[in-house]
Order: sequence, then C-alpha cells, then structure tokens
Amino acid sequence: GAVVSQHPSRVICKSGTSVKIECRSLDFQATTMFWYRQFPKQSLMLMATSNEGSKATYEQGVEKDKFLINHASLTLSTLTVTSAHPEDSSFYICSARAATGTSLDEQYFGPGTRLTVT
Amino acid sequence: KNEVEQSPQNLTAQEGEFITINCSYSVGISALHWLQQHPGGGIVSLFMLSSGKKKHGRLIATINIQEKHSSLHITASHPRDSAVYICAVGSPYGGSQGNLIFGKGTKLSVKP
Repeated sequence: GAVVSQHPSRVICKSGTSVKIECRSLDFQATTMFWYRQFPKQSLMLMATSNEGSKATYEQGVEKDKFLINHASLTLSTLTVTSAHPEDSSFYICSARAATGTSLDEQYFGPGTRLTVT
Repeated sequence: KNEVEQSPQNLTAQEGEFITINCSYSVGISALHWLQQHPGGGIVSLFMLSSGKKKHGRLIATINIQEKHSSLHITASHPRDSAVYICAVGSPYGGSQGNLIFGKGTKLSVKP
C-alpha cells in the first residue's frame, strides 16, 4: 500500500524556538496533504489542508502565522511551528491524498510526530 | 450529536474472543476509513471502503451505505490487537476538500 513518512518522529524544543515537521509520500503523488493535531485522549483535529503549489487552507481557530505550511512538491509538505510554546505540545499527524483521479477519498496517514515544548 | 459515532468507547476482551466495533455516521460520504492507533501514537490505516466488505488477515470491515453503518470485526483477538480503533468518514469528492470526520475512537484492550 501507499506509504507516508514523517520526520522527525519525536522532537523536544525550547519555548520560543521553531520546529519543522516533514511529511512525505514515498511511492505516490499527493496533490493534497492534511495536517492534524491530537491532544491526549482526544480525537484527531484537522488543522489545515495543503494543496501543492497553493496556499494552505486553515481550519477555524488555527493561526496560519504560527503554523506555517508549505507544499512545494507533490511528495512533500512541511509544517513549521513558529515560536513554539508548551501548549503547542501535541501529536501532529499528516495524511496524503493520492492524485488518483477517482472520487474515492484515498488518504494515507503518516506515523505522526510527537512535539514536546519545554 | 457527532457526525460519526462509535461504540463501544471502551472494550475489554479475553484473548481469542471475537470483537466487533461499530461506527454510525449521519453525513453523506465517499469512503469510510478504519484506523488503528497504538499507545505510541502512530496511526495505521486498516481499511478504506465505500461498499460491501473487506478482509485482511483476522480483520474484517463491513459497510452498509443505506443504513450509514460500518463494523470492524477482529477474529481470534490477541493482546497485540490492543489499541484505539478510529472510524473516519470522507466527505464527497469536490466538497470540503476531502478532509475526514473522525469518530472518538474505541479503546480495545485484549487480556491474555
């Protein structure tokens, strides 16, 4: 099946610094990638939708200047958490939607990145 | 009322038991996903289906589009099946950019 990777899998950073998380589709082209955040014991919450070559669409309540998304190619999207604070500590998950041309909503999930801000 | 409802929320089983997790949804969908999330957090996509039934090893997923209901079955359960199982539905193509609506998950614990 299709594979999506994320890097890093875990990161610890100091408050005020920025962290970049990469999401790659390894064996398919992804015109759309989704970024989710999951707090402990909560379900996944969509943060933003990223389309290759265009600006990301952010969900209500998600600060676009704080969570910078770049989808520069059909296989790579990055999420940068700028000026991170302890409340940004969370599990960040990406998914990639294959450019299959069908109406089926084929999404493949990355393994997630656990961010801890100290 | 959530658009995607899962039951039960928590499930404890003995090794070897047959397990069923249910998912009901109230929106029109293009596909339904069953995901598995282990305690470490990583998510594995188990199934994506839009009709009928799919089987992979000891896992079986069914969907009834008319009744807006899906079930995930695990046969001969094993402690390594212990995880949170999440049902997620995809909005129709060309709608809200295809993002998923997630259920709250079912936490399964299989005792040896």
